[in-house]
Amino acid sequence: EVQLVESGGGLVQPGRSLKLSCVASGFTFSNYGMNWIRQAPGKGLEWVAYISSGSSYIYYAETVKGRFTISRDNAKNTLYLQMTSLRSEDTALYYCASPQFITTVVPYYWGQGVMVTVSS
Amino acid sequence: DIQMTQSPPSLSASLGDKVTITCQASQNINKYIAWYQQKPGKAPGLLIHYTSTLVSGIPSRFSGSGSGRDYSFSISNVESEDIASYYCLQYDNSPRTFGGGTKLELK
Repeated sequence: EVQLVESGGGLVQPGRSLKLSCVASGFTFSNYGMNWIRQAPGKGLEWVAYISSGSSYIYYAETVKGRFTISRDNAKNTLYLQMTSLRSEDTALYYCASPQFITTVVPYYWGQGVMVTVSS
Repeated sequence: DIQMTQSPPSLSASLGDKVTITCQASQNINKYIAWYQQKPGKAPGLLIHYTSTLVSGIPSRFSGSGSGRDYSFSISNVESEDIASYYCLQYDNSPRTFGGGTKLELK
């Protein structure tokens, strides 16, 4: 059974940093590109970042480019999102998500999400 | 970045109705659009990818169509379990972008 478990969220002051983790199990993590997607309270979905299986390709939403860094450790089956210079508008539930098959890119499996609240 | 304009933002339907949601991309996305369903407090679930390919296990009352910049998603014979929010996602280009969402409610 595929499982994605996010952690590392919490309350943080504007301008500070936070690092999210997503531990994957039930599939060969090193073969799959991974995504971070977020959802502000009561709002829609926003795609945040993508990293390819071998970390060769990395993409960011314009809203986080230069502030967030996506990375992965395939030996630990773990995806990361380093968030710096946090703003109130970064307050959201952050999901990690993976495709169902190696040959696809569309997010299929999602974690339960981890809440990040940016407030003084 | 590609913008996805989804409409309507909300939709009211009776059980058994057919409803349609549209997404218009700011440029040709070559049919690389997916549709998700999200219920309150839950992560989104993938329903359709590549415009019209139904994910395994998804009922056939869900369908998608379109090409170029214009795409639609329909639910025929709305059931109570379909009450949720729906989102389109373009994956032709990075960064990927979601539509603003459509909240489906019962009339």
